[in-house]
Amino acid sequence: NAGVTQTPKFQVLKTGQSMTLQCAQDMNHEYMSWYRQDPGMGLRLIHYSVGAGITDQGEVPNGYNVSRSTTEDFPLRLLSAAPSQTSVYFCASSHTPTSTGEQYFGPGTRLTVT
Amino acid sequence: AQSVAQPEDQVNVAEGNPLTVKCTYSVSGNPYLFWYVQYPNRGLQFLLKYITGDNLVKGSYGFEAEFNKSQTSFHLKKPSALVSDSALYFCAVRDPYNFNKFYFGSGTKLNVKP
Repeated sequence: NAGVTQTPKFQVLKTGQSMTLQCAQDMNHEYMSWYRQDPGMGLRLIHYSVGAGITDQGEVPNGYNVSRSTTEDFPLRLLSAAPSQTSVYFCASSHTPTSTGEQYFGPGTRLTVT
Repeated sequence: AQSVAQPEDQVNVAEGNPLTVKCTYSVSGNPYLFWYVQYPNRGLQFLLKYITGDNLVKGSYGFEAEFNKSQTSFHLKKPSALVSDSALYFCAVRDPYNFNKFYFGSGTKLNVKP
């Protein structure tokens, strides 16, 4: 199993540009989530999904959109990038949080917005 | 609101000595607590969790954590540190009213010196 994969590894955007961060998992996990990691602030939940067609907001959802059309994929979209979105983004998955709660994380995408 | 705090940005310990990484929580309801480790340029890896039961939880790589309800703490411990334990450690709590949401601490950098 590849686990949780994320592409790209690095990305530089200009303010106002849009892009999609890709996330895929091959463990048939129902739950998937996106976090951003900023120095001194730990990880903060952006959006999560409990299954295909079901998404909800986390702690810091503004400026980000998600969709979940398949169990495997959970892309994160930045519609109009801002410098405040410079961060490292992690995707994670788990069977269901109600079962065990432990999550499997991808390697991350380092995004810089200039 | 649910939260965890990691009061130390950095912990330094000599190889072979015991280590402790501190975490305190603020949760309305029964806490579900987790520890994750992040090695450089990698995603987070699950170490251990407390859901209920024995206050001493054993996890991966020889780590354990002690849940203390009266002190609202969940400190990570290891009897004998290894240089390879040097990494960033995160404490996390699951929202007891929405199992799909998790809140992470700011992280503690553990440095183990030979």
